[in-house]
Amino acid sequence: GDSVTQMEGPVTLSEEAFLTINCTYTATGYPSLFWYVQYPGEGLQLLLKATKADDKGSNKGFEATYRKETTSFHLEKGSVQVSDSAVYFCALSPPGAGGTSYGKLTFGQGTILTVHP
Amino acid sequence: NAGVTQTPKFQVLKTGQSMTLQCAQDMNHNSMYWYRQDPGMGLRLIYYSASEGTTDKGEVPNGYNVSRLNKREFSLRLESAAPSQTSVYFCASSARRAGTEAFFGQGTRLTVV
Repeated sequence: GDSVTQMEGPVTLSEEAFLTINCTYTATGYPSLFWYVQYPGEGLQLLLKATKADDKGSNKGFEATYRKETTSFHLEKGSVQVSDSAVYFCALSPPGAGGTSYGKLTFGQGTILTVHP
Repeated sequence: NAGVTQTPKFQVLKTGQSMTLQCAQDMNHNSMYWYRQDPGMGLRLIYYSASEGTTDKGEVPNGYNVSRLNKREFSLRLESAAPSQTSVYFCASSARRAGTEAFFGQGTRLTVV
């Protein structure tokens, strides 16, 4: 079945440091790929997404590129802020099987990011 | 714009008690989902409803039942709560098209003692 693997955490950085959170996946076909962010005490919010190979998703300074050849969707940000402290989830949804699988997400285990001033 | 609304936000149950978690969305989405979040395990799908009138098991359905009451509402029922069901529960909804994202509620933190 489908699976998503994220880098082991937690990750602790100083403000303005470069961030990479690795994400690799196993799936048949061409799934859609997502990064969600969860701030303390809140639900998950979509951060960015990519729906086909070589697409780059970007939002709020974060970027991730859909790499089919390496089955990866690594999250990057050039300069993190204290306000980026949160839990980050990589997820995939299948390409679709008769319309019943759209939006049905498989998540990685999440990576806790803490950014210090 | 409410999005996805879950109630209650917190609940403590005794082992063996029952309860229903409520979820409603106002985005006219066809599909709705229930996930549970446990430390180090990400979110796991309990049940989903691809459209009004249909429900299907996800990865971890044992001990739960669901009802898709109408297009807006999707409830999750614990008939006899167990300590292993202590978790944070999230409801989500999405459109039924490829590449669409899911929208999540704020979560229900459930403790079973």
